[in-house]
Amino acid sequence: DVKVTQSSRYLVKRTGEKVFLECVQDMDHENMFWYRQDPGLGLRLIYFSYDVKMKEKGDIPEGYSVSREKKERFSLILESASTNQTSMYLCASSSHLRVSGNTIYFGEGSWLTVV
Amino acid sequence: AQTVTQSQPEMSVQEAETVTLSCTYDTSESDYYLFWYKQPPSRQMILVIRQEAYKQQNATENRFSVNFQKAAKSFSLKISDSQLGDAAMYFCAYRFYNAGNMLTFGGGTRLMVKP
Repeated sequence: DVKVTQSSRYLVKRTGEKVFLECVQDMDHENMFWYRQDPGLGLRLIYFSYDVKMKEKGDIPEGYSVSREKKERFSLILESASTNQTSMYLCASSSHLRVSGNTIYFGEGSWLTVV
Repeated sequence: AQTVTQSQPEMSVQEAETVTLSCTYDTSESDYYLFWYKQPPSRQMILVIRQEAYKQQNATENRFSVNFQKAAKSFSLKISDSQLGDAAMYFCAYRFYNAGNMLTFGGGTRLMVKP
């Protein structure tokens, strides 16, 4: 089974702190994604990466950055956390190959509360 | 830009009954995929069903089926013989074929199943 692992399920950080959310996948997928989930808004794409050291902005990249130094790991960074970044963050991965509709696999999510 | 709309924030169904969740989308593309994802309280997003836009036949996965109306840009999910384990958030999602696997999600529908 594909496994996408997010290192922290629940975090509480103070305003202004630097926050790292880590994600690791074990299926050698080329594509990795960070989404933010808020009630009524569904999931919104923050950043994605289609290869090591490559990154592309999604719909809401402001206030976030990412790092992909290794194929299996994709990190989301909040340089200076703010209360409006309190949310659930979901990491996902998928293969480049157009097989089975390029299914996207999700991690369990990280609840971040900024106080 | 593509948009996905789920007009029902909450739905409820009696166990063993059938329920239909609505989804509409807006796109100018002709080659795309549509998905329904389930997110139970554990928060792990699970792919329920997938539909390729070029296929006229509606996708079916056991108790789950879709009604895909391409001209109307409608993609509803029907759950037959509802079970308690079907209770979850359901997200409709769209992906353009060449969009690097990026999904655009609707706002979600919370499904409650009554025993």
